[in-house]
Amino acid sequence: DTGVSQNPRHKITKRGQNVTFRCDPISEHNRLYWYRQTLGQGPEFLTYFQNEAQLEKSRLLSDRFSAERPKGSFSTLEIQRTEQGDSAMYLCASSAGPGQGSYEQYFGPGTRLTVT
Amino acid sequence: GQQLNQSPQSMFIQEGEDVSMNCTSSSIFNTWLWYKQDPGEGPVLLIALYKAGELTSNGRLTAQFGITRKDSFLNISASIPSDVGIYFCAGRYNTDKLIFGTGTRLQVFP
Repeated sequence: DTGVSQNPRHKITKRGQNVTFRCDPISEHNRLYWYRQTLGQGPEFLTYFQNEAQLEKSRLLSDRFSAERPKGSFSTLEIQRTEQGDSAMYLCASSAGPGQGSYEQYFGPGTRLTVT
Repeated sequence: GQQLNQSPQSMFIQEGEDVSMNCTSSSIFNTWLWYKQDPGEGPVLLIALYKAGELTSNGRLTAQFGITRKDSFLNISASIPSDVGIYFCAGRYNTDKLIFGTGTRLQVFP
């Protein structure tokens, strides 16, 4: 399977705990995106990387959230001191960069986080 | 965060019927995209539009990039049960981030 993969698919945690999610993009894609989707809404942009550089961050990404892509391949999204409002589906997408053909975003299956 | 307005919010149709939905924005975009999302899964790209007035088809799906650059339309012809899901529009303007719509939920009855 050469699509975007995300792990874990589901995570239940208690309020105040830290959680980390992983995203593996399509192998030839150098751009990687994180979105958050709450129930009944469309995905909302959080941040994106070109290779290992984090190029844009949304105001939704509070200081409890941190994303990394240390070697320009997989990425991790960590949420510290989780709150019930963090419960959502966290989606990862990847795309090719300029000059690499179509650079539309292809999404993974998401990680559903439930904070109790 | 900003979300685009999609209508209708939900549709209940009979198999074989045609479907139309639209998406509007208060600001212009230079790319419009349409995605479909099944429960518990990520969005799947259906159609991408890059020029005002552009009409693009993908099988039974046809989408249009509105002339004003503030809207887009998606039509599905001869609906089948596997068309069930939530359809999202998304726009992009001079940035890589996508702004998504609120979604149209489609139910198809046999």
